[in-house]
Amino acid sequence: KAGVTQTPRYLIKTRGQQVTLSCSPISGHRSVSWYQQTPGQGLQFLFEYFSETQRNKGNFPGRFSGRQFSNSRSEMNVSTLELGDSALYLCASSPPGANVLTFGAGSRLTVL
Amino acid sequence: GNSVTQMEGPVTLSEEAFLTINCTYTATGYPSLFWYVQYPGEGLQLLLKATKADDKGSNKGFEATYRKETTSFHLEKGSVQVSDSAVYFCALTPRVGGATNKLIFGTGTLLAVQP
Repeated sequence: KAGVTQTPRYLIKTRGQQVTLSCSPISGHRSVSWYQQTPGQGLQFLFEYFSETQRNKGNFPGRFSGRQFSNSRSEMNVSTLELGDSALYLCASSPPGANVLTFGAGSRLTVL
Repeated sequence: GNSVTQMEGPVTLSEEAFLTINCTYTATGYPSLFWYVQYPGEGLQLLLKATKADDKGSNKGFEATYRKETTSFHLEKGSVQVSDSAVYFCALTPRVGGATNKLIFGTGTLLAVQP
């Protein structure tokens, strides 16, 4: 059974650019959540999607957005990148009715 | 609000030593509690969980008991191995009106086990 797949694994951007990260959940999982991990702030919740609807949102500026498609795949977008957006972005999926998350390996974003 | 406090690391132990990583939480209602582990260069893996008071989660020799009276969920293992070296995160999912998989994490505790 395939796990949660995140692409790309590594990327480098410059300030002011935008970036899109992709997450393919485990087959049958309809809930997808995104987290940002940095050495200074630790793991912080970005947003959660269920059946193409945003169910929860963390305390991040509007530059951070996401969406979920009908096949449960999800993307997150960060516009007007800042140096502080450098982080490991983790995606996690969960089956219906169970609040147990399976995480992907993450997308490591470096902003120069 | 909801929060999780973990003991700061790094925790350095010799192989076969006893491990305790302390975790306390603040939450309204009755949250579900989790321990996740992160190995170098990888995402997080669920280690164990407990969903109600006095539940004991266990996996791979690790255990943690949901203590409502002390709002704690300490992680223990009787005999650690070098392969247990990783960062351990305590986390909770708050019980809210609707369903959610939102996790609130502690800061993580680095465990280094020496042969």
